[in-house]
Amino acid sequence: ETGVTQSPTHLIKTRGQQVTLRCSSQSGHNTVSWYQQALGQGPQFIFQYYREEENGRGNFPPRFSGLQFPNYSSELNVNALELDDSALYLCASSTGANNYEQYFGPGTRLTVT
Amino acid sequence: AQSVTQLGSHVSVSEGALVLLRCNYSSSVPPYLFWYVQYPNQGLQLLLKYTSAATLVKGINGFEAEFKKSETSFHLTKPSAHMSDAAEYFCAVLNYGANSKLTFGKGITLSVRP
Repeated sequence: ETGVTQSPTHLIKTRGQQVTLRCSSQSGHNTVSWYQQALGQGPQFIFQYYREEENGRGNFPPRFSGLQFPNYSSELNVNALELDDSALYLCASSTGANNYEQYFGPGTRLTVT
Repeated sequence: AQSVTQLGSHVSVSEGALVLLRCNYSSSVPPYLFWYVQYPNQGLQLLLKYTSAATLVKGINGFEAEFKKSETSFHLTKPSAHMSDAAEYFCAVLNYGANSKLTFGKGITLSVRP
């Protein structure tokens, strides 16, 4: 059984650019949640996807968007990058029926300069 | 809205000493509570969870936590610290319902002195 994987591991972008982060769910999981973890802070919920539909969103602007694919992998897209978007981005997968137990990937470290 | 508070940002103990990391929660409904550990440059690993069954919950690596409703607390303990326990620890509460988002505390960095 493979765990949650994320790519890339590190990324450096310039303010104003766009970025796409990718997440592959753990086998059998149909729900993916994305979190932003700024330096020295706890993770903050961005949004969740369940069976390819957005299923809840945290306090993040519309320039944060996502997709979930039929194989339940997911993308997080961020447009018009700002310096404050620099953070570790974590995805977590879970099964719909038992979704309180979320399994986290290793994260993507995004640096915006 | 549900929230968790982790008092103090850094705890330092000697190897072999008791580890106590505090977490208090706020929730209008019976909470599901979690402790996660994060090692440097890694994601989050689930240590243990409380889902309204036994109030004393045992997790991995010798950690345990006790749910105390009267104190709205879910403190994490380990009887004897090991050097490998040095990491960041996050308490989280689950917003179960329409979506299962986790609300995390700010985290506590645990240092273990030889």
